Amino acid sequence: EVQLLESGGDLVQPGGSLRLSCAAAGFTFTSSAMSWVRQAPGKGLEWVSSITGSGDSTYYVDSVKGRFTISRDNFVNTLYLQMNSLRAEDTAVYYCARLVASIVPYGAFDIWGRGAMVTVSS
Amino acid sequence: EIVMTLSPAALSVSPGERATLSCRASQTISNDLAWYQQKPGQAPRLLIYGASTRATGIPARFSGSGSGTEFTLTISSLQSEDFAVYYCQQYDKWPPLFGGGSRVEIK
Repeated sequence: EVQLLESGGDLVQPGGSLRLSCAAAGFTFTSSAMSWVRQAPGKGLEWVSSITGSGDSTYYVDSVKGRFTISRDNFVNTLYLQMNSLRAEDTAVYYCARLVASIVPYGAFDIWGRGAMVTVSS
Repeated sequence: EIVMTLSPAALSVSPGERATLSCRASQTISNDLAWYQQKPGQAPRLLIYGASTRATGIPARFSGSGSGTEFTLTISSLQSEDFAVYYCQQYDKWPPLFGGGSRVEIK
């Protein structure tokens, strides 16, 4: 079964750090570009970051650049998002998604996880 | 920066009727547009990519059209499971960007 399963969501104080994980199954992870997309409570979708299948290239929305780091471990089929210097405006459900793209990060997201809630609050 | 505008923001439709959603890009994006459906408490689901190609397993009542700056998602005969929020997403220009969402409600 094709599946993405996020973990690591939590309540964290402003300025704190958190690492999200996304375990993939049922498709060839090593050849799949992957992404994180977030959704603030009651709001729309926002692309956050993407990474190529090899992990050689990464891309970020301006609002998280320098604070978030996307990475992957193709030996254990897992995607990560390290989030540092967290702000209240980072509060959202974070979805892991497979990116279908000829040129990363320009593509559509065809497989989604259920999401992990990150709350930044004191 | 590119802006994606989805209209209407909300649409009330009776089951069996047709629903039409519009997505406008502030710059031309060729046919690099996707549509997603999201139900409460669930992850989004890809419906359409390349402006008009249905994703795997998507029923034929969903169709997409358009190119350049004007795009349309049509649901030909609404079923109960189609009442949801719909998003468009462009992937031609930096950064990849979603439109604001359009809620399809039961009339």
